[in-house]
Amino acid sequence: KQEVTQIPAALSVPEGENLVLNCSFTDSAIYNLQWFRQDPGKGLTSLLLIQSSQREQTSGRLNASLDKSSGRSTLYIAASQPGDSATYLCAVTAGGGNKLTFGTGTQLKVEL
Amino acid sequence: GAVVSQHPSRVICKSGTSVKIECRSLDFQATTMFWYRQFPKQSLMLMATSNEGSKATYEQGVEKDKFLINHASLTLSTLTVTSAHPEDSSFYICSAMGRVNGELFFGEGSRLTVL
Repeated sequence: KQEVTQIPAALSVPEGENLVLNCSFTDSAIYNLQWFRQDPGKGLTSLLLIQSSQREQTSGRLNASLDKSSGRSTLYIAASQPGDSATYLCAVTAGGGNKLTFGTGTQLKVEL
Repeated sequence: GAVVSQHPSRVICKSGTSVKIECRSLDFQATTMFWYRQFPKQSLMLMATSNEGSKATYEQGVEKDKFLINHASLTLSTLTVTSAHPEDSSFYICSAMGRVNGELFFGEGSRLTVL
C-alpha cells in the first residue's frame, strides 16, 4: 500500500526566504506526482505535475523535483511571500494512472 | 486551466436527512471523477471513483449505500449522503481527470454540517 509522507508538517518563515518542502513515497511505481496548494476551507489548486519519466517541473517561483528511485520529491519556493501561506500537499498516482494518494501536507506560513 | 465546480459549497442539515453534492467539469469532459473526504487538519482520503455510465468503485471501509454516487453524464457526478448523521460532517471534495497527462482538477469543496 502506497504511503506518502511530507516533512515538515508545519513551517513558518519570514518573507523573502527560499524554502524546500519534502515529500516521500514508499512505492516507486508511480504514474505521476502532483503538488497542490490548499487554502483554509477551500479546494485544491494544482501547482505542478511531474510525470514519472521527468525529473523536474518549474512554474514561476516554484520548482518541483522528482527522484522516483528513492521515492522523493521536493517543492522549492523561491522568494516566499505572505500570499504563499497555505497547506501544500503532494500526491502520487499509481501505475494505473487513476487514484491519487495524498501526503499529510505541510502547513506553510510566510510572515511579514 | 480546467475548471471543476462543486455545489453547494456549504450545507447544514438535520440528522436523518439526505444531502446531494454536485460536481461538474465546466470546460472538459471527464469520464472519471473522484470523491474525497477531508477531516480537519488531515489530508484527503479517497472515498470512491466515479465512472460515467457505470457503477462507482468504493474504497475499503466506505459504505456504498451511505454515500450514493451517480455519474450520469461526462460533466456531472453527484454524491448523495443518505440518512446523514453528525459523524458525516466533513469537507467533501471532488476531482475530475483531464485528458492531458492525467492531471486532476479539483472542485472547491463542500462543507457538510449535520446537526
